[in-house]
Amino acid sequence: QSVLTQPPSASGTPGQRVTISCSGSSSNIGNHNVNWYQRLPGTAPKVLMYSDNQRPSGVPDRFSGSKSGTSASLAISGLQSDDEADYYCAAWDDSLNGWVFGGGTQLTVL
Amino acid sequence: QVQLVQSGAEVKQPGASVKVSCKASGYTFTRHGISWVRQAPGQGLEWMGWISTYNGHTNYAQKFQGRVTMTTDTSTSTAYMELRSLTPDDTAVYYCARDLGYCSSSGCQREWFDPWGQGTLVTVSS
Repeated sequence: QSVLTQPPSASGTPGQRVTISCSGSSSNIGNHNVNWYQRLPGTAPKVLMYSDNQRPSGVPDRFSGSKSGTSASLAISGLQSDDEADYYCAAWDDSLNGWVFGGGTQLTVL
Repeated sequence: QVQLVQSGAEVKQPGASVKVSCKASGYTFTRHGISWVRQAPGQGLEWMGWISTYNGHTNYAQKFQGRVTMTTDTSTSTAYMELRSLTPDDTAVYYCARDLGYCSSSGCQREWFDPWGQGTLVTVSS
């Protein structure tokens, strides 16, 4: 069981907006920034969003991040087939003195 | 460009050890630590620990303490992760990642991982 809770799956049609949630606690999300990683099929994870809502260069502005209290969200607007991937949230956990991840959300573009 | 290249797939018997390497290029190796993360089949990502490439300090996840050793060779810009007493539950893809966090006299700033290595599949089977 992962420390951070994500829905196992999400889906949408091209052009739609989808949101992926990530729920934690005061020892992780409530006290630290959240990062999001995207793992395309057959590839290593790459950072998609850092410090709650910052996009690395090269990540389109269709992707956005937010955080409130002990929960965070990743939103993808204008969904494209290339967005089919696994998405993971991550945060530092003070109680465990280490990084914790969500279980991952598999996004399907119908 | 910044790149981490890992060693190839391994097949090990239960009880054995495995040592995975992670060679960095495109940046000053000692400026950022290395974290190791694994993903078992059908499971999520699991952080195993971190090593400072500057002074060799380590921080292992409690689950792996006593069974994992992380080291670096600054002369070759390579990080290593050794896991001992392997069981079939250790079958996973193991990733190294450049950890952009840092610690100073005023505390530690947790950042993010970028980039990741391509992953090394370790299969534990008799």
